[in-house]
Amino acid sequence: GEDVEQSLFLSVREGDSSVINCTYTDSSSTYLYWYKQEPGAGLQLLTYIFSNMDMKQDQRLTVLLNKKDKHLSLRIADTQTGDSAIYFCAEETAGNKLTFGGGTRVLVKP
Amino acid sequence: NAGVTQTPKFQVLKTGQSMTLQCAQDMNHEYMSWYRQDPGMGLRLIHYSVGAGITDQGEVPNGYNVSRSTTEDFPLRLLSAAPSQTSVYFCASSYLQGQRGSEQYFGPGTRLTVT
Repeated sequence: GEDVEQSLFLSVREGDSSVINCTYTDSSSTYLYWYKQEPGAGLQLLTYIFSNMDMKQDQRLTVLLNKKDKHLSLRIADTQTGDSAIYFCAEETAGNKLTFGGGTRVLVKP
Repeated sequence: NAGVTQTPKFQVLKTGQSMTLQCAQDMNHEYMSWYRQDPGMGLRLIHYSVGAGITDQGEVPNGYNVSRSTTEDFPLRLLSAAPSQTSVYFCASSYLQGQRGSEQYFGPGTRLTVT
């Protein structure tokens, strides 16, 4: 079955690094995604990683994938107040369908 | 491009009323889907479509109908609203799965309250 889990809340100081963790259960996942949701808005794709990759870096974002443990993480370097939002990880198996985690609310303190 | 648009932004219904949430995209995406977002539960897939004339059920389809008569539009119908359908509804679209996976574009959401 498909189940994606994330911690509910993360507090971080401005300028520090944030690490958001996610675990998934479907070993047939092809792509794994990180989405960002700001208050009152829809979801915005931040980054993604293909299942045969271990790491992907995109400016301040680093995605790490451990397929053996089915663990995905998103690291945000030099976290800014504009990074305060809810972050969702999602896995995609076949046919474009996404299964989302419950979201991690990130609060960046000045 | 306008991207994915949804109307209305907010709606209040009484139990038993019916309504249609509208979704349109102008990116010529084959795939369209509806999700509901409830606190602490992420987004759950209600219905999806891989092209005009083709729809299928997602994880939580009960109480909802969809149709896809054109590539651009994918309305979601609530047949007889219930308080359990109070939620925020998001429409999303993407190309069918290709080399880059299926980057899904989300609309701004419709906040629905059923009393």
